[in-house]
Amino acid sequence: AQSVTQPDIHITVSEGASLELRCNYSYGATPYLFWYVQSPGQGLQLLLKYFSGDTLVQGIKGFEAEFKRSQSSFNLRKPSVHWSDAAEYFCAVAPRGSYIPTFGRGTSLIVHP
Amino acid sequence: DVKVTQSSRYLVKRTGEKVFLECVQDMDHENMFWYRQDPGLGLRLIYFSYDVKMKEKGDIPEGYSVSREKKERFSLILESASTNQTSMYLCASSFRTLAGGKPTDTQYFGPGTRLTVL
Repeated sequence: AQSVTQPDIHITVSEGASLELRCNYSYGATPYLFWYVQSPGQGLQLLLKYFSGDTLVQGIKGFEAEFKRSQSSFNLRKPSVHWSDAAEYFCAVAPRGSYIPTFGRGTSLIVHP
Repeated sequence: DVKVTQSSRYLVKRTGEKVFLECVQDMDHENMFWYRQDPGLGLRLIYFSYDVKMKEKGDIPEGYSVSREKKERFSLILESASTNQTSMYLCASSFRTLAGGKPTDTQYFGPGTRLTVL
């Protein structure tokens, strides 16, 4: 069965600093890959997704993610973090042919002024 | 914009009560999902439905049932609520297939229902 690992439970960055959130998956074939964000008290919102093609994916709110097949990773990045980016971030993976993603446990982003 | 609504944001129930959580989506999505979210455990799939009257168990279906009588509505039922079902419950919906034939699409989530069972 596929699995998704987000190694960092919490990450703290200063406003204006760059950000990278890690996501690794375990699956035989390249799956579909997603990043979602959950603001406090809210549901999840899609930031970006990867199905195929260009391995660098641009999303909303200035986020991007890079799919690296050799490392089974799909890390989320942002060059300059804003205080409003403080939230919970979830990586999700769905095998090709399935419409049911598996979610990682989430990474909580704390932004210091 | 896709909208997924959940009947309550906060709910407090007593042990043994029957609890209904309702979810409605307005985008004609075939797929609907119920998750529970607990700190440190992420989202865990309880049940999903890919069509009216169709349902499939997810990873943690014990103690729950679901109903999908209409395409836009997916209900989660706790037959006899217990304290270990205190959690955040998230509903989501998605298209079954995209125009390009990809079977997996973006899930759209409701705001969640925080259920406390006393």
